[in-house]
Amino acid sequence: DAEITQSPRHKITETGRQVTLACHQTWNHNNMFWYRQDLGHGLRLIHYSYGVQDTNKGEVSDGYSVSRSNTEDLPLTLESAASSQTSVYFCASNQGQGDSDTQYFGPGTRLTVL
Amino acid sequence: GQNIDQPTEMTATEGAIVQINCTYQTSGFNGLFWYQQHAGEAPTFLSYNVLDGLEEKGRFSSFLSRSKGYSYLLLKELQMKDSASYLCAVIDSNYQLIWGAGTKLIIKP
Repeated sequence: DAEITQSPRHKITETGRQVTLACHQTWNHNNMFWYRQDLGHGLRLIHYSYGVQDTNKGEVSDGYSVSRSNTEDLPLTLESAASSQTSVYFCASNQGQGDSDTQYFGPGTRLTVL
Repeated sequence: GQNIDQPTEMTATEGAIVQINCTYQTSGFNGLFWYQQHAGEAPTFLSYNVLDGLEEKGRFSSFLSRSKGYSYLLLKELQMKDSASYLCAVIDSNYQLIWGAGTKLIIKP
């Protein structure tokens, strides 16, 4: 069965370290998204990609970067982790025009920055 | 700015019916989603509305009024497993998805 996976599921790191969160989907979807979810804020879009070599900034992109070298993967990098980046991170994918198709979510990564 | 409003929390009784409202103000409209999210888990798709009216899917129904910028999710015959957060999301004119903060639904026996 097609799926979307994230790793690690839990990560504790220190302020200033570079961290990369992996996202891998086997749906063969063109579109992939990274969100963070914090209490009281709902899901906030960090970066998204509509295809290989395409990346775009979302609502809260400062301090984050992504790259899309193939269809299956969209790793999210925190260049220099800050305590404000402690959050739960979800990766999602879909096939349709922009965000108009149902998004399928990965299980999430809980990141703690000390 | 773009805004989606949902109640923060609601409580209902097992076996009853509950309606979760969502109002939105966005730059354009190309559809509305409802997702369910259990604590500690990923959101999962419940429904999609793009035309006015009611979409029924088993115990869950979703209603849309584009002229009023309003939707609701209706859950019937509530079960304990329906305790979760319910997220409303709107597709704007740029085909970007705008998310509400979600409604936490607590089901009591």
